[in-house]
Amino acid sequence: GNSVTQMEGPVTLSEEAFLTINCTYTATGYPSLFWYVQYPGEGLQLLLKATKADDKGSNKGFEATYRKETTSFHLEKGSVQVSDSAVYFCALIDNNAGNMLTFGGGTRLMVKP
Amino acid sequence: EAGVAQSPRYKIIEKRQSVAFWCNPISGHATLYWYQQILGQGPKLLIQFQNNGVVDDSQLPKDRFSAERLKGVDSTLKIQPAKLEDSAVYLCASSAAAHSPLHFGNGTRLTVT
Repeated sequence: GNSVTQMEGPVTLSEEAFLTINCTYTATGYPSLFWYVQYPGEGLQLLLKATKADDKGSNKGFEATYRKETTSFHLEKGSVQVSDSAVYFCALIDNNAGNMLTFGGGTRLMVKP
Repeated sequence: EAGVAQSPRYKIIEKRQSVAFWCNPISGHATLYWYQQILGQGPKLLIQFQNNGVVDDSQLPKDRFSAERLKGVDSTLKIQPAKLEDSAVYLCASSAAAHSPLHFGNGTRLTVT
């Protein structure tokens, strides 16, 4: 079956620090990969996506590259802000199995001023 | 465009009682999903509709959970009777088509005492 594994949080950083949140996946087919963000009290929002190997998704200074050889989709940001504090979820859709989104367990990021 | 609407925002019930949640997807979105998000975990798909038909309900505890989307627009999710372990946030999402991004509502937080 399909699964997504993320590094456990919380991740606590100072403002302007470099961020990496690791994500690896297992899929039977050729998945599309996503990062969703959940700010306090809000619903999940799509942050970025990549649909094939070597694609790079980017948005709001965040980036993630689809690495088929290592089955990874690590999230990075060069300089985090306090407003980036949220829970980040890595997810995949197996393109051979409809549109079902499989999520990782989430990683809480706390950025201190 | 208006987002995915869910109600109620919060619900507290005693075990063995019943509860229902409502979701109004983004206009024109054919696919609707219900996810369960237990505290500290990633969302888990309960059921997926395509228009008014069920695509996947393999992870829905059918002895107590039911969902319907009679006219292919709004949907309701019901739990009867509730158990303590049903305490979670119930998320509704919709997408325009297969492999399109999912748009999530803010969720209904259920507490079973």
